Amino acid sequence: GQNIDQPTEMTATEGAIVQINCTYQTSGFNGLFWYQQHAGEAPTFLSYNVLDGLEEKGRFSSFLSRSKGYSYLLLKELQMKDSASYLCAVRPSGGSYIPTFGRGTSLIVHP
Amino acid sequence: DTGVSQNPRHKITKRGQNVTFRCDPISEHNRLYWYRQTLGQGPEFLTYFQNEAQLEKSRLLSDRFSAERPKGSFSTLEIQRTEQGDSAMYLCASSLTSSDSPLHFGNGTRLTVT
Repeated sequence: GQNIDQPTEMTATEGAIVQINCTYQTSGFNGLFWYQQHAGEAPTFLSYNVLDGLEEKGRFSSFLSRSKGYSYLLLKELQMKDSASYLCAVRPSGGSYIPTFGRGTSLIVHP
Repeated sequence: DTGVSQNPRHKITKRGQNVTFRCDPISEHNRLYWYRQTLGQGPEFLTYFQNEAQLEKSRLLSDRFSAERPKGSFSTLEIQRTEQGDSAMYLCASSLTSSDSPLHFGNGTRLTVT
């Protein structure tokens, strides 16, 4: 099975940088997703990390350490529209590759 | 790419009634997933199809729930004898087969059981 932990809520100021952490325990690991979900909307794909290290996509970066069971999502130059829930999801190795999601971190960006 | 489409967007039903939801995945995606999400929680896996074959179901999935994907294209999720605890957002997602293919989600069907 899989156990995924991420903070329930975070707040940050417009223009700042925020780091959302995710730790996981799993019996088999293929990769880790980050999704963004605005209230009442579908989760939208942000990143997928398979190898250790940092991957950057514009204002968003995602980091993975497989040995530590740890990932973070880094959001730079925060904008009000970044207020959303950020979901960490682990994809297992082998079999069906069905991702298991964490409960999500609700990010509130204030002026 | 028209994205994943789900309907209805909202469904209000009385306890004990049956409901059916539909999902149209991205056309070239052969994998289709159903998840359920409640307020303040992440999506919880229900079941998944590869083409028309239902390959996995969550142990949490009651026998009141059934899903089909008859021609490997659209899928339906039926809940029989609904209970108040079934109230949730039902999300459908699709993906390609490769292990690094992300899931693309629809906007979901919000079910309220009164």
